[in-house]
Order: sequence, then C-alpha cells, then structure tokens
Amino acid sequence: AQSVTQPDIHITVSEGASLELRCNYSYGATPYLFWYVQSPGQGLQLLLKYFSGDTLVQGIKGFEAEFKRSQSSFNLRKPSVHWSDAAEYFCAVGAGNQGGKLIFGQGTELSVKP
Amino acid sequence: NAGVTQTPKFRVLKTGQSMTLLCAQDMNHEYMYWYRQDPGMGLRLIHYSVGEGTTAKGEVPDGYNVSRLKKQNFLLGLESAAPSQTSVYFCASTPGFQPQHFGDGTRLSIL
Repeated sequence: AQSVTQPDIHITVSEGASLELRCNYSYGATPYLFWYVQSPGQGLQLLLKYFSGDTLVQGIKGFEAEFKRSQSSFNLRKPSVHWSDAAEYFCAVGAGNQGGKLIFGQGTELSVKP
Repeated sequence: NAGVTQTPKFRVLKTGQSMTLLCAQDMNHEYMYWYRQDPGMGLRLIHYSVGEGTTAKGEVPDGYNVSRLKKQNFLLGLESAAPSQTSVYFCASTPGFQPQHFGDGTRLSIL
C-alpha cells in the first residue's frame, strides 16, 4: 500500500537559517510527488511537484525538492528561511492510474525564530 | 477566478443532526475530492469522483455520502452527525494527472 512519512512533527529554525523537511514514501512504481503548504486557517497551496525528468525541482517562494528514488525520499529545502514561512507543510504521493488520488503525510509544522 | 469554493466555512451541529457541505469549482475539472484533516493525521480521503455522476470511496468513507450530479459541484453529506466527525473538511479538484486545487476548508464541530 502507498504511504507517506514525514518523520518530523515540528521543526523550529532561526530566520535566515537553512531548512530541510523530510519526506519518505512507499510506492511500487514511479510516483507523482508534491509538497503543499498550509497557513493557519487556510487551505493547501502547492509549493512544487515532481512527475518525471530532472530530480531537482524548483517551486514557489524559493523552495526546492529533490527526488531520490534509491532512498524513496522527496525532501524539501530552502536556503534561507523567512518568518513568513512559518506554516504546516505536507508531502503527498499520487498515482497516475488511481483517479488522481493523493496520499498525504502527517505534516510538519515549521516555526521560525526571529 | 474563484477556484474551489466551500460552503459553509463554519458550522456547529448537535449529535444526530444531518447536513450537507457544498464544494463548487469553476475550472471545469473532472476529478473532485473530499478530505478531512485532523491533528497529527494529515489529510485523509473520504470520497472522490472521477467525473459527473460518479463517486468512489476513499480511505475513511464511513458515516458520509457524496453526490456529483453536476460536474462543477461535489456534495458531502452527514446523515447522522457524530462527535468523531468533528474536523476540518477540505474539497479539492484537478483536471487529471495534475496537482489538486484546494478550497479554504469547512470547520465542523459536532456537540
């Protein structure tokens, strides 16, 4: 069965520091991979996606993620965190033959220290 | 562009009451989804639809029903609300093998 694990429930970083949020997935074929961000009281906004091709994908707000098939990982990174990046981040995996369904990780809450 | 609109945004129900949540999208998307979000559990798929007139069960369908009579609308019904259904409900849509677009959520409390 497909599954997504985000090992870190809560992360705190200082403003200006680098960030890496971890995501590991379990899926038998090449997955579609996504990172979404959710600000308090809001819906989910797509940060970036991986379907195929270059394994390093760039997203909005200065985020990037790298697909590593050998490690079944799709970690999210940002070189310098801004206070406005404080939010909850969700990794999701989808399959092309299952009605576009997504399986979400549990989420990682990011706090940013001034 | 309205995108995905959920109605209502907030609701408080008593145990045993029924209600319907409405999701409307103006992007002509084929696929639509209902999720619930609970602390520490991410989003879990309740039901989904791959086109007008179709529905299918997701991961946590018990206690919910859905209908997709029109392509742009996807309704989620609770026939007899239970406290365990207190949650934030999100609707999403996609044209196919593309990222899903999400509404802003409906916060539902069952007393």
